[in-house]
Amino acid sequence: DIQMTQSPSSLAASLGDRVTITCQASSAISNDLNWYQQKPGKAPKLLIHDASNLGAGVFSGFIGSGSGTEFTLTIKSLEPDDVGTYYCQQFHSLPITFGQGTRLEIK
Amino acid sequence: QLQLRESGPGLLKPSQTLSLNCAVSGGSIIRGGASWSWVRQAPGKGLEWMGYIYHSGVTRYNPSLGNRVTFSLDRSQNQFSLTLTSVTAADTAVYYCARSPRVALIYAVDWFDAWGQGLLVTVSS
Repeated sequence: DIQMTQSPSSLAASLGDRVTITCQASSAISNDLNWYQQKPGKAPKLLIHDASNLGAGVFSGFIGSGSGTEFTLTIKSLEPDDVGTYYCQQFHSLPITFGQGTRLEIK
Repeated sequence: QLQLRESGPGLLKPSQTLSLNCAVSGGSIIRGGASWSWVRQAPGKGLEWMGYIYHSGVTRYNPSLGNRVTFSLDRSQNQFSLTLTSVTAADTAVYYCARSPRVALIYAVDWFDAWGQGLLVTVSS
């Protein structure tokens, strides 16, 4: 199985800050990487697919980048609605695996 | 707009069999190249992909579940189902059904662009 490791596990940032979350794959996965946002009690919501492509209807303040084993999700300017837990997910090979999540809070 | 909705029991005893349905509306599960997955999330934990089923009935499961899991399709009802046998407390989780559009058909699953609202299943004696 491909292991996905996110860092940090949690972070607190101020409104307007630029926030970056990292996801590392245990082996190369090309750009077969997606990002999701999950709010408490809700299903995950697709933010980014194929490492850098915005999901349908997703605000352009989210930027995905990376390839191979290192990926990042950047929030350009933190807003209150960005609070939640963020997950990366690889689809390069089965089984599909997710990172452990990064909890984002407002400082 | 595609919508998915899970249904099933919320409470089971250890060793029982869990059966969940995912009703799909706003689109057909037997048209197009999409695959249909189950993803679960234990309380306070991350996401675990359980497997997928195609409209053809072809399935693939996460090896972590051993031989306890089976998926099926009901084309007439436009729904798919999950069966998990011999449940234990470790199977306590919110269960989500989700669609993968498979934009590049070389992948059985790519991203999940539609999810059900989730169903909490508790296993307790």
